[in-house]
Amino acid sequence: DTGVSQDPRHKITKRGQNVTFRCDPISEHNRLYWYRQTLGQGPEFLTYFQNEAQLEKSRLLSDRFSAERPKGSFSTLEIQRTEQGDSAMYLCASLGGAWTEAFFGQGTRLTVV
Amino acid sequence: DAKTTQPPSMDCAEGRAANLPCNHSTISGNEYVYWYRQIHSQGPQYIIHGLKNNETNEMASLIITEDRKSSTLILPHATLRDTAVYYCIVRVDFNSGGSNYKLTFGKGTLLTVNP
Repeated sequence: DTGVSQDPRHKITKRGQNVTFRCDPISEHNRLYWYRQTLGQGPEFLTYFQNEAQLEKSRLLSDRFSAERPKGSFSTLEIQRTEQGDSAMYLCASLGGAWTEAFFGQGTRLTVV
Repeated sequence: DAKTTQPPSMDCAEGRAANLPCNHSTISGNEYVYWYRQIHSQGPQYIIHGLKNNETNEMASLIITEDRKSSTLILPHATLRDTAVYYCIVRVDFNSGGSNYKLTFGKGTLLTVNP
């Protein structure tokens, strides 16, 4: 257990539905990442927060995806109008001010049917 | 973004050293090399990182060539629990201070440790 908590661990949804995932980083970590991982591939960067500010967002990120970190603590990732291609593992990672390594959560596995 | 090249798979006998190579020929002078591993169905786990000098910690050693175009991760005494996908990553900084960055993963090397 790295201390980064993601909820839910698994989500099955019908195409066209909206889904929201939550990430609780390690409490003193002010930096947070979202990644997506499909089968057989390495994790792909989606977006990055420092405190509540979203500083970086992948150009590959569809406008159906939105992430927030309202108080600089937990973060949510929402996918609107899900498509089958959104099926993947969604990973959250956090990083503290003095640390140079990111700690990853166990991920949320999304299946769109 | 600097890219890395790793063999897709490697085997190692339990108790022997596992040497995982990585090429990063386009790396810039101030870009760090990170290694993570991912055991099936878990999130990636940090192993080690370095810039120019060789590094060692309780998990592994990292050997970076003098020209920094390649590196090798060494697990000195591999166990069955070390079976995982190992990712060699070049850290990409968002700003010059080095406090904001992303890790760009490739496909990694599947290391299988055999009894």
